[in-house]
Amino acid sequence: DARVTQTPRHKVTEMGQEVTMRCQPILGHNTVFWYRQTMMQGLELLAYFRNRAPLDDSGMPKDRFSAEMPDATLATLKIQPSEPRDSAVYFCASGLTGGGGITGELFFGEGSRLTVL
Amino acid sequence: DAKTTQPTSMDCAEGRAANLPCNHSTISGNEYVYWYRQIHSQGPQYIIHGLKNNETNEMASLIITEDRKSSTLILPHATLRDTAVYYCIVRDLAHNFNKFYFGSGTKLNVKP
Repeated sequence: DARVTQTPRHKVTEMGQEVTMRCQPILGHNTVFWYRQTMMQGLELLAYFRNRAPLDDSGMPKDRFSAEMPDATLATLKIQPSEPRDSAVYFCASGLTGGGGITGELFFGEGSRLTVL
Repeated sequence: DAKTTQPTSMDCAEGRAANLPCNHSTISGNEYVYWYRQIHSQGPQYIIHGLKNNETNEMASLIITEDRKSSTLILPHATLRDTAVYYCIVRDLAHNFNKFYFGSGTKLNVKP
């Protein structure tokens, strides 16, 4: 049963600490998305990659957030330094992109719930 | 950047059909209509998508009006497990490429 795997599922940290969230996309998927969800803002698109290359990270605070895909099986989202306002659930999603973009399903992981004290 | 309008919440009796509306009056000819849902504490889940014709799968049916300015997601026999937030999304595969923007969605409450 193919699924997107995210770690950690829960993270509590103190302000100023570095946080790294990891995502293993579904094998064979070539597009990966990072979303952030809060009660106030809903689901916000932070960044996405195609074939490991960053296509758009305009939704991501540049000064403290960074997203990478070291290889096709791993995507990372790093926050340094973390702040209380970063508390949210971070979702990773993957899909298969053809010539015209993703035509079907986007598969989401279960999310990483981050609490910054 | 959501281009859809959905009611904030809806109730449905268990076993009855749930009809969730979505307005997308500015939809262009290249844009598809997608539906996802998010059950509490889980990641969003794909339901169905369509361009012009009505679509049906094992989860739901999607009815798109002839002018494509609105659509309705139909869950034929709602169960308590269908309680979730339902998102209607429009995407231009050619120009907005891979971006999926989620709006506020409709909170569907299925009641016994």
